Amino acid sequence: KAGVTQTPRYLIKTRGQQVTLSCSPISGHRSVSWYQQTPGQGLQFLFEYFSETQRNKGNFPGRFSGRQFSNSRSEMNVSTLELGDSALYLCASRGADTQYFGPGTRLTVL
Amino acid sequence: AQSVTQLDSQVPVFEEAPVELRCNYSSSVSVYLFWYVQYPNQGLQLLLKYLSGSTLVKGINGFEAEFNKSQTSFHLRKPSVHISDTAEYFCAVTLDSNYQLIWGAGTKLIIKP
Repeated sequence: KAGVTQTPRYLIKTRGQQVTLSCSPISGHRSVSWYQQTPGQGLQFLFEYFSETQRNKGNFPGRFSGRQFSNSRSEMNVSTLELGDSALYLCASRGADTQYFGPGTRLTVL
Repeated sequence: AQSVTQLDSQVPVFEEAPVELRCNYSSSVSVYLFWYVQYPNQGLQLLLKYLSGSTLVKGINGFEAEFNKSQTSFHLRKPSVHISDTAEYFCAVTLDSNYQLIWGAGTKLIIKP
């Protein structure tokens, strides 16, 4: 099976812009989670989607949002970007009891 | 609330020497435990997991970990490291009824030639 794919791999934006990141889970997986990874805060949970419904949400401001489509692909959106949003954004799809991660999208906000 | 503590931010070790990366967790209920590895500029790869059963879990690349319920620990070990093991290692826990992962801060394994 193909693994989790994330696009784009790298992104450069300026403050105030918005960005959309995409994640395609492993075929057959219905749960997709998003994480933010920064050197200072480590890995932080953003949200989880299951069958197009947000099931869990982390402690992030409303500028961070997501959605999931009927084919389980997921997108996350960050509006009004801030410098502190620069991070590696990781997507994971869950099969049985384990989460499998994609390569991440490296977002740089200038 | 659950939490995960990785006691060492960096562990330097000579090539072919054994290594142990420590992980302790706090939870009042049953948990699932995971170790993931992150190579430079890559995502996270599952090394091994403990769900139930035998407390000694074997994973990929020669790694193993032992679940110790009384000490609430899940330390990762490898008897002989290789330069290719240079990476950051993350311990994570989730409740068996909730799959949100709680992460440790990570341990950088530095292999000295």
